[in-house]
Amino acid sequence: DTGVSQNPRHKITKRGQNVTFRCDPISEHNRLYWYRQTLGQGPEFLTYFQNEAQLEKSRLLSDRFSAERPKGSFSTLEIQRTEQGDSAMYLCASSLNLQVEGGYTFGSGTRLTVV
Amino acid sequence: QKEVEQNSGPLSVPEGAIASLNCTYSDRGSQSFFWYRQYSGKSPELIMFIYSNGDKEDGRFTAQLNKASQYVSLLIRDSQPSDSATYLCAVKVGGNKLVFGAGTILRVKS
Repeated sequence: DTGVSQNPRHKITKRGQNVTFRCDPISEHNRLYWYRQTLGQGPEFLTYFQNEAQLEKSRLLSDRFSAERPKGSFSTLEIQRTEQGDSAMYLCASSLNLQVEGGYTFGSGTRLTVV
Repeated sequence: QKEVEQNSGPLSVPEGAIASLNCTYSDRGSQSFFWYRQYSGKSPELIMFIYSNGDKEDGRFTAQLNKASQYVSLLIRDSQPSDSATYLCAVKVGGNKLVFGAGTILRVKS
């Protein structure tokens, strides 16, 4: 088990372009979470999946953001028409039903820079 | 009021001293609490969790929980320069997700 994997590690894009990030969770984890973190702040919740079902979305997630987990395994997060304010670290995490013993395991993140 | 509040620091302690990091939370119904460590440019890693009032010890780390005061703390004994990082307090909310504080920067000076 190689942990939670995120790709790409870094992404630089021009304002207005679309970007897509991928997250591969720990294989037996059925919950997958997306967070966004900006400098000096803690991770902010964006959305989470249990298996393939998207169960909650933050109001931070505007209609330019969409996330999928089509087969309950990997997930993608797409940002359309990127804005400079979207520049952040996008973190994926997974857990097994958020067991009391577990918390989350985070991936290494994708750092997005919008220029 | 933010759901999880931490002093941003930086908290500076000399090598070998005890570092004390504090966190308060607003949801009185919260049951599970976590401390994550985050090195600059890296992702958070879980170091401690606690859900019962009192203390929980793991090596040099002790988590303390007081639900009546809605207060969680993390003590790091014999602080080392390698402990220098941002420490994030997280609270399980609604049974489904973790809400994080902004973190406290810890600097251990040798």
